[in-house]
Amino acid sequence: EDKVVQSPLSLVVHEGDTVTLNCSYEVTNFRSLLWYKQEKKAPTFLFMLTSSGIEKKSGRLSSILDKKELSSILNITATQTGDSAIYLCAVELGSNYQLIWGAGTKLIIKP
Amino acid sequence: GAGVSQSPSNKVTEKGKDVELRCDPISGHTALYWYRQSLGQGLEFLIYFQGNSAPDKSGLPSDRFSAERTGGSVSTLTIQRTQQEDSAVYLCASSLVSSRNEQFFGPGTRLTVL
Repeated sequence: EDKVVQSPLSLVVHEGDTVTLNCSYEVTNFRSLLWYKQEKKAPTFLFMLTSSGIEKKSGRLSSILDKKELSSILNITATQTGDSAIYLCAVELGSNYQLIWGAGTKLIIKP
Repeated sequence: GAGVSQSPSNKVTEKGKDVELRCDPISGHTALYWYRQSLGQGLEFLIYFQGNSAPDKSGLPSDRFSAERTGGSVSTLTIQRTQQEDSAVYLCASSLVSSRNEQFFGPGTRLTVL
């Protein structure tokens, strides 16, 4: 059964800290891994990763894929209260259009 | 330039009633997806529409769930004889076929079945 597991389930840090969120997967036919940020209800797209070892970066956020370890990390440096959200990881299957979603990491940034 | 819109934003219904949830995708997006997110859970795929092709309904949890997409645009998700376990946030997303992994999500409908 295809599955995506995220850790930790929740994380509370202080503003200015750096956090690392983890996503591991077991799927039969991997195409890409995606990170989303979910505030309130609608997730917004952050990154798509297809190749191992190539870092994607956007401001204070960065992410990298390790296909050998079947995992990805999402780093956020110099965290701000606006980074508080649920961060979702999803894996796109190569066999079809489906995305398999993790349960998310709830990140809380305290001022 | 509107994004994906959904209505209603919140729906409270009694067990056994039917509900209809609506999704307006981004103009020009031919792919449309419905997901369900229960409290503390990840997104659960329900159904996928692509252009005029037959939809993939493999994620629908029971025959009480159905969905239509009229004219390749607006979609309606219908839940008949609602049960308490149907309570969740129902999210709709759309994408260009060429970049279907970059999905744009609507704000969702929070369904509460009493």
